[in-house]
Amino acid sequence: DAKTTQPPSMDCAEGRAANLPCNHSTISGNEYVYWYRQIHSQGPQYIIHGLKNNETNEMASLIITEDRKSSTLILPHATLRDTAVYYCIVMGGATNKLIFGTGTLLAVQP
Amino acid sequence: DAGITQSPRHKVTETGTPVTLRCHQTENHRYMYWYRQDPGHGLRLIHYSYGVKDTDKGEVSDGYSVSRSKTEDFLLTLESATSSQTSVYFCAISDWTGSTDTQYFGPGTRLTVL
Repeated sequence: DAKTTQPPSMDCAEGRAANLPCNHSTISGNEYVYWYRQIHSQGPQYIIHGLKNNETNEMASLIITEDRKSSTLILPHATLRDTAVYYCIVMGGATNKLIFGTGTLLAVQP
Repeated sequence: DAGITQSPRHKVTETGTPVTLRCHQTENHRYMYWYRQDPGHGLRLIHYSYGVKDTDKGEVSDGYSVSRSKTEDFLLTLESATSSQTSVYFCAISDWTGSTDTQYFGPGTRLTVL
């Protein structure tokens, strides 16, 4: 079973920041938070991952709360091409198995 | 682009026939994975490989076998396809370090079993 909880859907206006929340209250100390997205009919695309510090790359920023029980993926300037299902996944330690939940469908509106 | 290709991209077959899907990578990654994706289930791991001739089962391995005779190729075989195996199949690659494992996915194969 997925160890994360995400809202099933969200809307965002084009050009605005999209903030996607994820709860992972049972995360262990050696587990990372990964974010992937899947645009319709394509393979999942890696976005970012982090352990406890906030992370930023060319695609997004990842904010992890101090207690690590939740995180937020931020797309700073959403475009129509960011419309996709976003998956928050907890993984690490002795396992390399990604367990996908049902994710959040982000719809970027013009 | 993680240098992953899958073939065929689309296939329609009949119940009871054998089917082999191929995943090919060009970047010498140690780990390779096969997932299936069905409506309402997200992606589920079928099998994975951690080296040539080294494979292990995932959560939905029944009815599937895999082989990896070369680093670059990971084959998924349905010995006798059933309608329940109609799905989209994704291959992924990674270099698991024991702590982090960033997996990169291929474009997928859409399989229909009639």
